[in-house]
Amino acid sequence: ETGVTQTPRHLVMGMTNKKSLKCEQHLGHNAMYWYKQSAKKPLELMFVYSLEERVENNSVPSRFSPECPNSSHLFLHLHTLQPEDSALYLCASSQDVWQGLHFGPGTRLTVT
Amino acid sequence: QQPVQSPQAVILREGEDAVINCSSSKALYSVHWYRQKHGEAPVFLMILLKGGEQKGHDKISASFNEKKQQSSLYLTASQLSYSGTYFCGGAGDSNYQLIWGAGTKLIIKP
Repeated sequence: ETGVTQTPRHLVMGMTNKKSLKCEQHLGHNAMYWYKQSAKKPLELMFVYSLEERVENNSVPSRFSPECPNSSHLFLHLHTLQPEDSALYLCASSQDVWQGLHFGPGTRLTVT
Repeated sequence: QQPVQSPQAVILREGEDAVINCSSSKALYSVHWYRQKHGEAPVFLMILLKGGEQKGHDKISASFNEKKQQSSLYLTASQLSYSGTYFCGGAGDSNYQLIWGAGTKLIIKP
């Protein structure tokens, strides 16, 4: 595997379910990000980890919980989501803040 | 406050040139440009780290006017593969937090 991978690619979950999104980067980067992309809205940064420490948390509802066990893996734990949380969730990594982001293919999440 | 991209959409014939602008009301310390094709993830094009910087590869280049807080992306002799939505992202107070524009949809017709 190369680049940034995400699983699953598609997820449908009910409002009472608990699920997790997984991201893995094979680039040796130091920073990892979770972004939310909704239709007709700009990309929204949710969380940033640098060297496994959370450095940004953009007032994201507590029903989203990130986890970064090491510099290559990033998880987003989901529970009791709302229909408005349906979106494309993108993981990204970068070597440092002065270099571009490498995005994974995303997880298309639908909350029913 | 997000950067304003213009135009919102543009349709070109193959071989024509395009300019996409990104303007911010807040001070920017760097500007990123990305292209996203339908159903795919955004792909990094380039980053401009200081005012006056210009960069380019192939027929895609960009400039950053720090005084005007504006960046422009230039696509020369456009190819069909250039189609997609182009996003600018500006780094302001936080190095990690990019503030993204709403995107410019570029359609290239044969």
